[in-house]
This record gives sequence, C-alpha cells and structure tokens, in this order.
Amino acid sequence: GDSVTQMEGPVTLSEEAFLTINCTYTATGYPSLFWYVQYPGEGLQLLLKATKADDKGSNKGFEATYRKETTSFHLEKGSVQVSDSAVYFCALTSGSARQLTFGSGTQLTVLP
Amino acid sequence: ETGVTQTPRHLVMGMTNKKSLKCEQHLGHNAMYWYKQSAKKPLELMFVYNFKEQTENNSVPSRFSPECPNSSHLFLHLHTLQPEDSALYLCASSQDDGRAKETQYFGPGTRLLVL
Repeated sequence: GDSVTQMEGPVTLSEEAFLTINCTYTATGYPSLFWYVQYPGEGLQLLLKATKADDKGSNKGFEATYRKETTSFHLEKGSVQVSDSAVYFCALTSGSARQLTFGSGTQLTVLP
Repeated sequence: ETGVTQTPRHLVMGMTNKKSLKCEQHLGHNAMYWYKQSAKKPLELMFVYNFKEQTENNSVPSRFSPECPNSSHLFLHLHTLQPEDSALYLCASSQDDGRAKETQYFGPGTRLLVL
C-alpha cells in the first residue's frame, strides 16, 4: 500500500538557518503530494502541493519539488523564522483512494 | 483558516457519557472526512462522506457513529468511549471531482479527553 516516510524529528534550528525536511513516498500510479503544517493547538493547514512530476509547490518561502525518479518531496526554506515553529506533515493521495496518507510528522523548533 | 469549523474545541467526557462533535464547512465542497490524531501516531482516517453518503469506514469501532445530514455538516457521535480514544479529532473537506486527488482542507480539531 501507499506510505510516506519523513525524517525523524525533532529539528531545532536558529533563526535564518536553512531548513530541509526529507520526505519519500511509495505509491501506486501518480500520486499528488502535499505538505501540511500544524501550529501548536491548531488543526492542519495546507502549506503547498504538487500534482505531477517536476512540479514545484511553494508558499510562504517554503518550496518542495515532486521528484518521481527519487520518489521524494523534500521541504525546504532558505531562512526560517521563529514563527515557523510547528509540526510539518508530508502526505499523498493516489489512485482512486480519497484517503490522505500521512507521514509521522516532523517537529520544527526555531530559536531566536 | 475559517473554511472548516469544528465545535467544541475541547471536550472532557466520562466513559459512560454520550457526546457529539460537529463539523461545518463553508467551502461548497461535497466530501467530508473524520481523522483521528493520537500522540506519537500518524493521522488515521476514520470516515469519508461523499455527497452525504458514507464511502469509507476504516474499521472504526461502533462506539464512534458518524452522521452527515448534508454536504456542509458532519457529526461524530460518541458513546461509551475508552481512555485510549483520547485524541485530537480533525474534520476535513474537499471538492470531489472524481479524480480523487483533490486537496483536503482541515478544521482546527476537537481535543477529546476520556476519563
């Protein structure tokens, strides 16, 4: 079945550092890929998405590129802020399933 | 994000109580979902409704009973829960155009504690 593997957290960075959160997937067919973010005490918010190979999703300075050859969708940001502290989830949908398959989440803490 | 609202935001209940969680989406979507988020575990899909019809039930115990009276509202009725049911319950909605890859939008969740 489908699966998503994220890098283990927690990740702690200083403000203005470069961020990479790795995400790889296993899926049938051609999945759509998503990054969701969950701020403390809140639900999930869609951060960005990509629906086909080589697409780049971007939002709020975050980027991720759909790499079919490496089955990856790594999240990057060039300069993180304290306000980026949250849990980040990689997810996918594929085939006829309406179910989102989530990774386990990566806790990011950005220190001033 | 105010497109999907959930009430209550927090709920404490005993194992013999009956309570209901409510979700409302203001996005004009035709599909709605219940997810469970427990500590240290990936999000788990519980139920899917499409055009008010339940299309998926991921082996959820019968003490959880969903209800979808229309495309904008979704309920989760709870009775005789167990302490291990304590979790964050998230509602989501999407526009199902048959391609099944549509984006899901989430509500803020209901934090449930079962004593």
